[in-house]
Amino acid sequence: DAGVIQSPRHEVTEMGQEVTLRCKPISGHNSLFWYRQTMMRGLELLIYFNNNVPIDDSGMPEDRFSAKMPNASFSTLKIQPSEPRDSAVYFCASSSGLAGPNEQFFGPGTRLTVL
Amino acid sequence: AQTVTQSQPEMSVQEAETVTLSCTYDTSESDYYLFWYKQPPSRQMILVIRQEAYKQQNATENRFSVNFQKAAKSFSLKISDSQLGDAAMYFCAATSGTYKYIFGTGTRLKVLA
Repeated sequence: DAGVIQSPRHEVTEMGQEVTLRCKPISGHNSLFWYRQTMMRGLELLIYFNNNVPIDDSGMPEDRFSAKMPNASFSTLKIQPSEPRDSAVYFCASSSGLAGPNEQFFGPGTRLTVL
Repeated sequence: AQTVTQSQPEMSVQEAETVTLSCTYDTSESDYYLFWYKQPPSRQMILVIRQEAYKQQNATENRFSVNFQKAAKSFSLKISDSQLGDAAMYFCAATSGTYKYIFGTGTRLKVLA
């Protein structure tokens, strides 16, 4: 199993530009999570999908952030326009179900730097 | 609301020695689950060990074990025979059984050769 795949691993962009982060969950997993990790705030859940449907997006910081999951094997997190305070590591994680404390399998993360 | 607290920002341990990382949590749920995740410099989050609150027996995974004190809401991680590869950030996490994990702020573990 390839695990959760994220791309790109590193992204450097300038303020105002659009940024798209990509995630491929583990095959067969029906729950997908986007997290943001910063020194100041630690790990924060941004959005949670179950069976490709957004269930909880209360962690999305503002309208500049959007996430989609068009099918079971792909999700994107978009920031438009990006700002320096968006600089962080963004993790995608997947798990196998809603019921029970199923382990969340994390991808390697995307380190985003907004100049 | 659930909270998870890791009061040790950084810990050091001599190679081959034992170290204990602390975690306390607060929840009103009767059924919940606790986890320790390891994040090495590669940034990959790796599950180390998990504990179901309804189980009285402490979980063990090779050199890793937990001391689960339910009444005190304490969930510490003990690493025995520490190895250089154990150097990482360690995160304690809790969930009430739904999707939402609450993570602590992490403890950076240094292993001294």
